[in-house]
Amino acid sequence: QKEVEQNSGPLSVPEGAIASLNCTYSDRGSQSFFWYRQYSGKSPELIMSIYSNGDKEDGRFTAQLNKASQYVSLLIRDSQPSDSATYLCAVRAGAGSYQLTFGKGTKLSVIP
Amino acid sequence: GAGVSQSPSNKVTEKGKDVELRCDPISGHTALYWYRQSLGQGLEFLIYFQGNSAPDKSGLPSDRFSAERTGGSVSTLTIQRTQQEDSAVYLCASSFGRSNYGYTFGSGTRLTVV
Repeated sequence: QKEVEQNSGPLSVPEGAIASLNCTYSDRGSQSFFWYRQYSGKSPELIMSIYSNGDKEDGRFTAQLNKASQYVSLLIRDSQPSDSATYLCAVRAGAGSYQLTFGKGTKLSVIP
Repeated sequence: GAGVSQSPSNKVTEKGKDVELRCDPISGHTALYWYRQSLGQGLEFLIYFQGNSAPDKSGLPSDRFSAERTGGSVSTLTIQRTQQEDSAVYLCASSFGRSNYGYTFGSGTRLTVV
């Protein structure tokens, strides 16, 4: 059973701070990793993807991957109230796999 | 189309009735996925299509659930004899086949069984 674990939160950070969201996964053969943002009542929106160990930056977002530790994280710099949402971690297994396994999400609240 | 389109956006049905949910994927996306999200729960995989074929139906919760895809495009998820536990948001997503890209989700159908 492939599992993706996230702290459900809520995680509260003040406006302008760095928000750190974490995810662990059980399938050591996983190769593709994604972060989705889901506003209340809306569908998930892909915001980051990462495939290799290390950091990947896109604007205020940085995804970090450590395959040895089976750990992926998302950092949001200069957090804004508009970043308040649930963040879903998703993992795809090895080559040829198609299904994404999602964590239950971490709810982030950015306090003005 | 520009995005994944789902209809209806909301559906209220009486217990025991059949419902059909429709998904129109992004043009050119060969892979199509159905997920279900219950209140406060994570995304539950239901079924995957590659073209018109469904290699993996293992996520369908019971034989009351079925899905088809025609012309490598539009997909329909059918739930027969609906039960209250079927109430959830049904999300459709599409992608370029077995790619490394993530999915693009539609806006979902909120199903309420009363």
